[in-house]
Amino acid sequence: GENVEQHPSTLSVQEGDSAVIKCTYSDSASNYFPWYKQELGKRPQLIIDIRSNVGEKKDQRIAVTLNKTAKHFSLHITETQPEDSAVYFCAASIIQGAQKLVFGQGTRLTINP
Amino acid sequence: GAVVSQHPSWVICKSGTSVKIECRSLDFQATTMFWYRQFPKQSLMLMATSNEGSKATYEQGVEKDKFLINHASLTLSTLTVTSAHPEDSSFYICSAELAGDTGELFFGEGSRLTVL
Repeated sequence: GENVEQHPSTLSVQEGDSAVIKCTYSDSASNYFPWYKQELGKRPQLIIDIRSNVGEKKDQRIAVTLNKTAKHFSLHITETQPEDSAVYFCAASIIQGAQKLVFGQGTRLTINP
Repeated sequence: GAVVSQHPSWVICKSGTSVKIECRSLDFQATTMFWYRQFPKQSLMLMATSNEGSKATYEQGVEKDKFLINHASLTLSTLTVTSAHPEDSSFYICSAELAGDTGELFFGEGSRLTVL
């Protein structure tokens, strides 16, 4: 089955700097890669996703890149703000019928003012 | 976006009792829902896939007789933790997918179970 590895487990950056979180996946058939932000005790919130037919997607300060050959994808947050502090999860799945998301281990991002 | 609601948001029970958690899709029909479990400071682990009108599909290592799943309608799936023990204490989250193979999942608020 699919296996998703996420790094780093913790990340601390100064406000205004950029943050990058990386994930690798094992199943070459995976074609959907979402990123979720989860605050303590809350549900995961989808912040951006990418499908395997594109290599990059951007939404304001957030961008995701995908390298299908190397089977890795990354989340980039620019101009970080204190409210970006949270745990971020990457995930991978195959969109075919009932798709099952497999999550990475999570990255605790702390933005220092 | 689509809304998924879970109830209760938190529950405390005694060891040996059973607890039922409900997951509802409020503004769309969900033939498939997913149940995840999240221990403190850990990732979300898929427990089972709930299929409307048929038996749930459980992930390896998840006891189907302990975690009973019923998906009796297109908007409701329930997870019952039977004979709960302290090690079952966790954050349980359901999710549902919009029809059309969009890929995006919508998550419920989560239910925090504490077994004394």
